[in-house]
Amino acid sequence: AQKVTQAQTEISVVEKEDVTLDCVYETRDTTYYLFWYKQPPSGELVFLIRRNSFDEQNEISGRYSWNFQKSTSSFNFTITASQVVDSAVYFCALSDPMDSNYQLIWGAGTKLIIKP
Amino acid sequence: DGGITQSPKYLFRKEGQNVTLSCEQNLNHDAMYWYRQDPGQGLRLIYYSQIVNDFQKGDIAEGYSVSREKKESFPLTVTSAQKNPTAFYLCASSIVYGETQYFGPGTRLLVL
Repeated sequence: AQKVTQAQTEISVVEKEDVTLDCVYETRDTTYYLFWYKQPPSGELVFLIRRNSFDEQNEISGRYSWNFQKSTSSFNFTITASQVVDSAVYFCALSDPMDSNYQLIWGAGTKLIIKP
Repeated sequence: DGGITQSPKYLFRKEGQNVTLSCEQNLNHDAMYWYRQDPGQGLRLIYYSQIVNDFQKGDIAEGYSVSREKKESFPLTVTSAQKNPTAFYLCASSIVYGETQYFGPGTRLLVL
């Protein structure tokens, strides 16, 4: 069965520090998709990235970067030079066509606190 | 501006009452979804609709009902059969089923 594990329940860092949020997934499919969403205190989930299983290239978008490693079934998210506005709960999710019929399997989320 | 709107932002339900949460999108997306989020938890799928006039149960459909009569609208009714409805409800849509989901601002439902 598919599963997404975000082992870090809460992380607290001082502004300008780099921080990495871990995501480990399990699936039997060879084709699957991984996602990261941000949920600020307002509650709305904001889409950050989608990555398919055949594209292991790391992605960088401004201060955000993602490291996808199939060998360790991980899709980690790094924020460089963190800012107070990055404070939110971050969710990792997985979907695949066979086991989940494309339904999103969600991790429990990591609460990130950036202190000024 | 294209997007997903949910109303109301806060909703209060009395015991034995049915309440309906609104979700509208003007993104021309075929698929729409309803999720429930409890405090400190991840999201759980209630219902989803791949196309107009069609919908399927998710993991926690009991006590909920939906309709999809128009492409842009996917209302969720929380019935009196849902014994613990207090939660944050999020609506999402995607251009087709299985593609990236985009979320609305959510509705907080509280029981009086």
